[in-house]
Amino acid sequence: TQLLEQSPQFLSIQEGENLTVYCNSSSVFSSLQWYRQEPGEGPVLLVTVVTGGEVKKLKRLTFQFGDARKDSSLHITAAQPGDTGLYLCAGPLVPGGYQKVTFGTGTKLQVIP
Amino acid sequence: DTGVSQNPRHKITKRGQNVTFRCDPISEHNRLYWYRQTLGQGPEFLTYFQNEAQLEKSRLLSDRFSAERPKGSFSTLEIQRTEQGDSAMYLCASSWDTFNGELFFGEGSRLTVL
Repeated sequence: TQLLEQSPQFLSIQEGENLTVYCNSSSVFSSLQWYRQEPGEGPVLLVTVVTGGEVKKLKRLTFQFGDARKDSSLHITAAQPGDTGLYLCAGPLVPGGYQKVTFGTGTKLQVIP
Repeated sequence: DTGVSQNPRHKITKRGQNVTFRCDPISEHNRLYWYRQTLGQGPEFLTYFQNEAQLEKSRLLSDRFSAERPKGSFSTLEIQRTEQGDSAMYLCASSWDTFNGELFFGEGSRLTVL
C-alpha cells in the first residue's frame, strides 16, 4: 500500500500553461517535502511545509500543506521547459516516523516549448 | 564539492556477481539513508543509519543486501548474488540530526544486472 498517492501520474503541457500536482494520504505527516528529479540524477529538495494550511512560494511554484497535514499540492504558473522532471512529495510519518521518509508515487511532468 | 557523493555512478554486472556501492554524506550530517528507485517510481526506503548504528531496515532488504557505516562517515551497500530484479537506481541521502524530513541526495548509482 502506497502511503502517499500523487496525481496525475503523467502530465504533458505546453510552455506557458499552468498546472497543479496533488499529493494525498490517509496518514498524518509532521512535515512534507517536495523534490524534483531529473533523469539519471538524485532528487533535489524544493521546499518543506510544516504547518497545516501553510503556503510557500518559490518563484513560479506555489506549495500548500493541507489543514489536516494529510495532503499537499504544487501549483506551477506559466510552466517553462526547465520545469520538466519527476516531482516527488515525501514526508516522515506521525507519530514516531522521523527515521523513515516515505515518498509518493511521483508525477512526471513534460513541458513542451 | 560538499554534497553527497556516490560511486560508482553506473555498474553493469552479470547475474550472480556481488556489487558494492559507496556513499560519502555531507560531513556535518549524522543521518544516512539508502533508497532504491525503479524507473518512473518514487524512491523506496531500504535502510537508515544514525552515526554508525543501523537503526532501521526495510523488508525490501533481503539477506543478500547488507549496509555498513563503520565509522559513522561513509557507508557501503553490498548486494550479493545479484538478480535481474535488483536492477535499479540506488540512492543515498543524508540529513542533520535535528531532523524535519529534509533529505539531501547524491546523484545515485545505477545498477544493471544482465
